[in-house]
Amino acid sequence: NAGVTQTPKFQVLKTGQSMTLQCAQDMNHEYMSWYRQDPGMGLRLIHYSVGAGITDQGEVPNGYNVSRSTTEDFPLRLLSAAPSQTSVYFCASRPTSSRNSGANVLTFGAGSRLTVL
Amino acid sequence: AQKITQTQPGMFVQEKEAVTLDCTYDTSDPSYGLFWYKQPSSGEMIFLIYQGSYDQQNATEGRYSLNFQKARKSANLVISASQLGDSAMYFCAMTRVQGAQKLVFGQGTRLTINP
Repeated sequence: NAGVTQTPKFQVLKTGQSMTLQCAQDMNHEYMSWYRQDPGMGLRLIHYSVGAGITDQGEVPNGYNVSRSTTEDFPLRLLSAAPSQTSVYFCASRPTSSRNSGANVLTFGAGSRLTVL
Repeated sequence: AQKITQTQPGMFVQEKEAVTLDCTYDTSDPSYGLFWYKQPSSGEMIFLIYQGSYDQQNATEGRYSLNFQKARKSANLVISASQLGDSAMYFCAMTRVQGAQKLVFGQGTRLTINP
């Protein structure tokens, strides 16, 4: 069981370039999300999805685009990278929301470190 | 809106001592969940412990316990008998039980265990 797999682990971009961070999970989780982590600011939610074909914005969505065509995959697209998007990005997933406490625990990928010059 | 506050940017503790990491939260939801995650220097996010707002007892997981004081809106993490491997960033987070269930994180506390 691979869990949540993120690629690439490291990426350097120039301002204005576009790229896609890939996220795949093999746990049949309906909920998937993207966070960015910046020093002193914890993790902030970018976008999330509660199932295939359904996405919504989080706290810091500007400059990012997502889609969810399958249960397994939730790619994050940067359309025109800016230095302010230099960060560590985490993808995370969990089963369908439930009153069962165990269902609310997010499983995180290993992270993708992005530098925009 | 939900908010998590961790007021300790860094803590230094001697090995084998107990340590308490502070976390206060703010929410208007009657039903919510509180989490602690550990992030070692390798960068991965490791789930430690969960507390539901209606749970009668404080959560415990091995050396980790959550000191949940609902009236004070605090959810402090207690690590007993600290070990060198406990050195890491620790994040408190919360989510509402109903609705979209977005997980909101605090700024984190960097814990350093000294030998």
